[in-house]
Amino acid sequence: DAGVTQSPTHLIKTRGQHVTLRCSPISGHKSVSWYQQVLGQGPQFIFQYYEKEERGRGNFPDRFSARQFPNYSSELNVNALLLGDSALYLCASSLGGAQFYNEQFFGPGTRLTVL
Amino acid sequence: AQSVAQPEDQVNVAEGNPLTVKCTYSVSGNPYLFWYVQYPNRGLQFLLKYITGDNLVKGSYGFEAEFNKSQTSFHLKKPSALVSDSALYFCAVRANTNAGKSTFGDGTTLTVKP
Repeated sequence: DAGVTQSPTHLIKTRGQHVTLRCSPISGHKSVSWYQQVLGQGPQFIFQYYEKEERGRGNFPDRFSARQFPNYSSELNVNALLLGDSALYLCASSLGGAQFYNEQFFGPGTRLTVL
Repeated sequence: AQSVAQPEDQVNVAEGNPLTVKCTYSVSGNPYLFWYVQYPNRGLQFLLKYITGDNLVKGSYGFEAEFNKSQTSFHLKKPSALVSDSALYFCAVRANTNAGKSTFGDGTTLTVKP
């Protein structure tokens, strides 16, 4: 079975640009979460979506936005990129729903470099 | 606010010896606790979780973790370490009242020497 997939693998942008990261969850999973992981730190929660609705949002500025599509795939958008946005962006899927205790399955991540 | 502390950046053990990777947490309400492992150039992989019930949870690859409510801890353990266990380990917490947000610790690098 295919795991969580993310695209692109690597991305280089300049300050002020916009970026879109994509994620496809495991088949049957209806929840997708996005995390930012800076070197030396644990993943920082950005968003969670379930059934196309936002279920949670972390402490990130409004430049960060996301959405989930009817096929449960998801996009993370970041506007007006800053140097500090350089990080590994992780997508995780889970069964979701009322089962808050479901473990998450992580994709390999998208490495974003902002110059 | 939720938080997770992994007090040791690095843990070194000899192969065959028991290992412990420490985790303490803070959360409002009852916690759901998780351990994940990250191997070099690979994504995070789920190891085990605590939801409710027995305080000792068994997971993948021979790992187990003990939930201690009074000490708000969820330490990861293995009776006999393998060199292949060397990796970066993350503890995470989620409140049972907040489906959306998982909070991760900063990770502990485990090195098992032959």
